[in-house]
Amino acid sequence: GENVEQHPSTLSVQEGDSAVIKCTYSDSASNYFPWYKQELGKGPQLIIDIRSNVGEKKDQRIAVTLNKTAKHFSLHITETQPEDSAVYFCAAKASAGNKLTFGGGTRVLVKP
Amino acid sequence: NAGVMQNPRHLVRRRGQEARLRCSPMKGHSHVYWYRQLPEEGLKFMVYLQKENIIDESGMPKERFSAEFPKEGPSILRIQQVVRGDSAAYFCASSPQGAHWERAKNIQYFGAGTRLSVL
Repeated sequence: GENVEQHPSTLSVQEGDSAVIKCTYSDSASNYFPWYKQELGKGPQLIIDIRSNVGEKKDQRIAVTLNKTAKHFSLHITETQPEDSAVYFCAAKASAGNKLTFGGGTRVLVKP
Repeated sequence: NAGVMQNPRHLVRRRGQEARLRCSPMKGHSHVYWYRQLPEEGLKFMVYLQKENIIDESGMPKERFSAEFPKEGPSILRIQQVVRGDSAAYFCASSPQGAHWERAKNIQYFGAGTRLSVL
């Protein structure tokens, strides 16, 4: 089955700097890659997603890149703000089936 | 439009008791997923249901766990004879399968979760 690895597990950045989180996946049949943000005591919230027919997608300060050949995808947050502090999860979904396989999460701390 | 509703938010059970977790999907969604999250870990898929059908239960433990999504009412995740290892956050998600635009088929919207503590 699918396996998703996520790095780093923790990330501390200064406010205004960029944050980058990287994930690799094992199943070449995966075709959908969402990123979720989870704040303390809350459920995961979708922040951006990308499909396998696209290499890059951007939404304001957030961007995601996908390299299908290398089977890795990354989340980039620019101009970080304290409210960006949370745990971020990457996930992958195969073209067959509907379940999401999640990475282990990255705890991001943005220091004012 | 209300989001995915889960209740209770917190549930405390003693070993050997039963736990029932409820999930009402977003309006218009007919597909429900259950995930389990252990402390400091990612979410692990448990089961995927449509109305009155279990589509994929590959992540469900073989014993004590069951799930249903009846024609009327919320989806229920049931854990019988709970043990301390069942303590976790259980999240439900729903998706709008059958929407006209392809992108929407993949998006899973999550509820706030039920935090189960087994004493």
